Amino acid sequence: GAGVSQSPRYKVAKRGQDVALRCDPISGHVSLFWYQQALGQGPEFLTYFQNEAQLDKSGLPSDRFFAERPEGSVSTLKIQRTQQEDSAVYLCASSTRTGSGETQYFGPGTRLLVL
Amino acid sequence: GENVEQHPSTLSVQEGDSAVIKCTYSDSASNYFPWYKQELGKGPQLIIDIRSNVGEKKDQRIAVTLNKTAKHFSLHITETQPEDSAVYFCAGGFSSGSARQLTFGSGTQLTVLP
Repeated sequence: GAGVSQSPRYKVAKRGQDVALRCDPISGHVSLFWYQQALGQGPEFLTYFQNEAQLDKSGLPSDRFFAERPEGSVSTLKIQRTQQEDSAVYLCASSTRTGSGETQYFGPGTRLLVL
Repeated sequence: GENVEQHPSTLSVQEGDSAVIKCTYSDSASNYFPWYKQELGKGPQLIIDIRSNVGEKKDQRIAVTLNKTAKHFSLHITETQPEDSAVYFCAGGFSSGSARQLTFGSGTQLTVLP
């Protein structure tokens, strides 16, 4: 079946612009996660949704970052007034279960470059 | 919070040899340890995982061991092939309140030389 998809795959933004990154999870997956992956590093947690509820946003680096999942399926990560340090790959993952130890399936990521 | 350390950062092996990657974690509450393979330009792909009630798990050429007392776990790849070349990440996960995120290691660049 279809995996997690993300769009756009690449985004170039000028410093100060707003960007919106989209994630389409695997159909029926309850949990959705956003991670940020800097070059040469492992993914770092940003935020977590269970259905439409954002249960954990402790990893969002600043109030310029905002995520939503209004209908419990597609999610959007928005970054306002982008800065150069926001350049990274943004990964979305989804999973079926809500308990600990669920398998997370990752999308291909959106590579954001802020000039 | 959880801290996961991974080593080595780079590993080169000859085709057919074995590769071992090791990780340690800090939070004894962690109970789920997946390993991901990431190829250039792609998202991480789960290759194997282990839960804290199991000490070892094997899937064909890949095996993972877990030592909860020492808080470390390892990935073993036998009979390596050039297509195993990629970046490998270990991760630790736990459930604490509403927190369900994975904490990743910094990755190991594995190169299998033909």
